[in-house]
Amino acid sequence: DQQVKQNSPSLSVQEGRISILNCDYTNSMFDYFLWYKKYPAEGPTFLISISSIKDKNEDGRFTVFLNKSAKHLSLHIVPSQPGDSAVYFCAASADYKLSFGAGTTVTVRA
Amino acid sequence: GAGVSQSPSNKVTEKGKDVELRCDPISGHTALYWYRQSLGQGLEFLIYFQGNSAPDKSGLPSDRFSAERTGGSVSTLTIQRTQQEDSAVYLCASSFVQEQYFGPGTRLTVT
Repeated sequence: DQQVKQNSPSLSVQEGRISILNCDYTNSMFDYFLWYKKYPAEGPTFLISISSIKDKNEDGRFTVFLNKSAKHLSLHIVPSQPGDSAVYFCAASADYKLSFGAGTTVTVRA
Repeated sequence: GAGVSQSPSNKVTEKGKDVELRCDPISGHTALYWYRQSLGQGLEFLIYFQGNSAPDKSGLPSDRFSAERTGGSVSTLTIQRTQQEDSAVYLCASSFVQEQYFGPGTRLTVT
């Protein structure tokens, strides 16, 4: 039972342009959402998070948007850089357990 | 500061053997989690430790899997009588509040 879904397995974007990653969830009890970035042979690295009481959180080039009514969140990366090429995981929490999406592989083209 | 460390980084074992995977969490983090990631899949929750409370083992796939956390710090995940479907990357994470910080993982291959 996949409670967090990332429907795009991959995304290719040109350097300098915006990357938009999407995530949908089904559990209305989720109240905290996170994005993680993962390079090959490394563990996921925390990127940015948002509480359910907010609809936007920004940190430098990264902005996360939350639409609770649609049970949808997105991550915007502007401008995209070659070092952003990685797998991005969306995660959601109702207590202490994180439920993860399957990930989106982002490739930033020079 | 030091992050979460895991050992070994890679483990190849024969079907039917037992394996132990180790996790050293970030000092001061009270919560510790084990996840596994199979090929092409997201992270699957296995077990959660919080302080002295009883662990949440609800994610363990079978009774061949067990985990301990000694002294509120280091944790060991044990897989008995390994099967080929146990092949995956096993990730450990620790947290103080809600953001979990992950180790590099142990890649387990069961032949």
